[in-house]
Amino acid sequence: GAVVSQHPSWVICKSGTSVKIECRSLDFQATTMFWYRQFPKQSLMLMATSNEGSKATYEQGVEKDKFLINHASLTLSTLTVTSAHPEDSSFYICSARVRRTYDETQYFGPGTRLLVL
Amino acid sequence: SQKIEQNSEALNIQEGKTATLTCNYTNYSPAYLQWYRQDPGRGPVFLLLIRENEKEKRKERLKVTFDTTLKQSLFHITASQPADSATYLCALMGDYKLSFGAGTTVTVRA
Repeated sequence: GAVVSQHPSWVICKSGTSVKIECRSLDFQATTMFWYRQFPKQSLMLMATSNEGSKATYEQGVEKDKFLINHASLTLSTLTVTSAHPEDSSFYICSARVRRTYDETQYFGPGTRLLVL
Repeated sequence: SQKIEQNSEALNIQEGKTATLTCNYTNYSPAYLQWYRQDPGRGPVFLLLIRENEKEKRKERLKVTFDTTLKQSLFHITASQPADSATYLCALMGDYKLSFGAGTTVTVRA
């Protein structure tokens, strides 16, 4: 099956620093990649959608200058949380879409737990 | 506004019984609906996709129904096992984006 990896799996950083999270599709090329955020006991909330070689589309309320997304290739997308603050502490999950004939299945990475002190 | 509601936050059942989870949606006209499993501290894992013209779909001990008139999907885990304990998420595509319900956490007691 399609495998999506994320690195790192967890990170602790000081307030004001930037953190980069990588998302890779290991055995397929992803037409589109997505970044989600999940707070405890809540569902996944879409932050942004990115297509390879083009600018990401951010959801309403998500600051594009704070959450920088770079979709460098069909197998790699990165999310950089700039000047992180404690309220950015969350579980960040990426997803990659595989285009099939009648549907577009999304496969999810294992997630990255970010704790900002 | 678009909403995806999963009827209960938590469901506790005895091993061997059938767990039934409900997903209701409003202001969507989905071509298909998906169910995912999420374990604590992990990303969601795709389980099943059911299309609007399919009434029922099965995969091993899982069964999903989809009623576009009622705007509802039911997700059944038959002969449940403790290993089935997890949070199950319903997801719909709208505006080319996959949105999720809040999930139902299933705990299967041995």
